[in-house]
Amino acid sequence: QTVVTQEPSLTVSPGGTVTLTCASSTGAVTSGYYPNWFQQKPGQAPRALIYSTTYNHPWTPARFSGSLLGGKAALTLSGVQPEDEAVYYCLLYYGGAWVFGGGTKLTVL
Amino acid sequence: QVRLQESGPGLVKPSQTLSLTCAVSGNSVSRDNYYWTWIRQPAGKGLEWIGRIYASGTTDYNPSLESRVTISLDTSKNQFSLNLTSVTAADTAVYYCAREFGIWGRGTMVTVSS
Repeated sequence: QTVVTQEPSLTVSPGGTVTLTCASSTGAVTSGYYPNWFQQKPGQAPRALIYSTTYNHPWTPARFSGSLLGGKAALTLSGVQPEDEAVYYCLLYYGGAWVFGGGTKLTVL
Repeated sequence: QVRLQESGPGLVKPSQTLSLTCAVSGNSVSRDNYYWTWIRQPAGKGLEWIGRIYASGTTDYNPSLESRVTISLDTSKNQFSLNLTSVTAADTAVYYCAREFGIWGRGTMVTVSS
């Protein structure tokens, strides 16, 4: 069974920069896994941030960026705002099926 | 503006079939070339992709649910549906519909209990 792994939790100071990663149990993540990233706040539906590794949705703030880093998909937040505190999920494509990571709880402190 | 709205019973008995629909406005489920997707989330847990249907009717399902899941289009009502058979308490979750993964509905809570 394919497992997608994210950091369970991270803490960042306001104005700082943080990188969240997304690893696949099958090996290095490439653009062919079409990494997606989502933000979810308590009581809300997830909101899409990034698709196909690096592409921001029209509503995604410019401080969010996606990339590949060391064989993983990565989401970098630059100039973190208090409202960025949330759970972030990645999503990878495995040839007809999609698998979510377990989520990273980001605390802004 | 594209909007998706889930609807269906909030309570389903064990061993029965969970049936949900997702009404779409702002897009045609059969003419616009998108994947229409179902995702679920148990309380306090992560997201799970259930499956998707393309405008042509082609489907893909999560292998762990494939034997119990059917996703279909209703072009007359511009909506798509999820059927999940033989449900257990493990199927209790918030169920979301989405246009691919960019546009999501608000979700609907389904509890499996007798």
